[in-house]
Amino acid sequence: QKEVEQNSGPLSVPEGAIASLNCTYSDRVSQSFFWYRQYSGKSPELIMSIYSNGDKEDGRFTAQLNKASQYVSLLIRDSQPSDSATYLCAVTLRDDKIIFGKGTRLHILP
Amino acid sequence: DVKVTQSSRYLVKRTGEKVFLECVQDMDHENMFWYRQDPGLGLRLIYFSYDVKMKEKGDIPEGYSVSREKKERFSLILESASTNQTSMYLCASSTGTSGWVEQFFGPGTRLTVL
Repeated sequence: QKEVEQNSGPLSVPEGAIASLNCTYSDRVSQSFFWYRQYSGKSPELIMSIYSNGDKEDGRFTAQLNKASQYVSLLIRDSQPSDSATYLCAVTLRDDKIIFGKGTRLHILP
Repeated sequence: DVKVTQSSRYLVKRTGEKVFLECVQDMDHENMFWYRQDPGLGLRLIYFSYDVKMKEKGDIPEGYSVSREKKERFSLILESASTNQTSMYLCASSTGTSGWVEQFFGPGTRLTVL
């Protein structure tokens, strides 16, 4: 069974600090990795994609991928109350399907 | 911007009714997907389609069917609604001949079956 694991949280982070969200996956041949943000009652919104080892930065967001260790992380710098949401990690499998983690609830403390 | 729309935001149906959920995307995407999302269970794939008139079962197809007569439209059908199908239903689409690309989601339909 191919899996994507995330800590369900809630992860509480003070406003202005760095929030660090982690995701591990079991399929060694996974090639594509995505982070989605989902506000309560809303649908998931894509915020980052990463395909190769290393860091990818987009504004306050940085995705980090380590294929050898099979983990992908999302860093949010200068956390804002509007970042409070559930963050879903998604990983492609060798048969091109995408598996989503169950998400980590992030709460930014004002 | 990719736009995926779903026919209803909220829907209330009775047990045994036939339910149609419609999804339309306007970006000429080849791939379309139907998920349901439940607390503690995450997103679960019901059905997907890589082309018109093509469909494949996802992880939880029981009790559901789908229809894709046009490229932009993907319908989910609950043949005889049951209370355990009360859920948030999310449609998504993506481009390309591979699933290795980002999926874009519609706003979701929250279905309640009484």
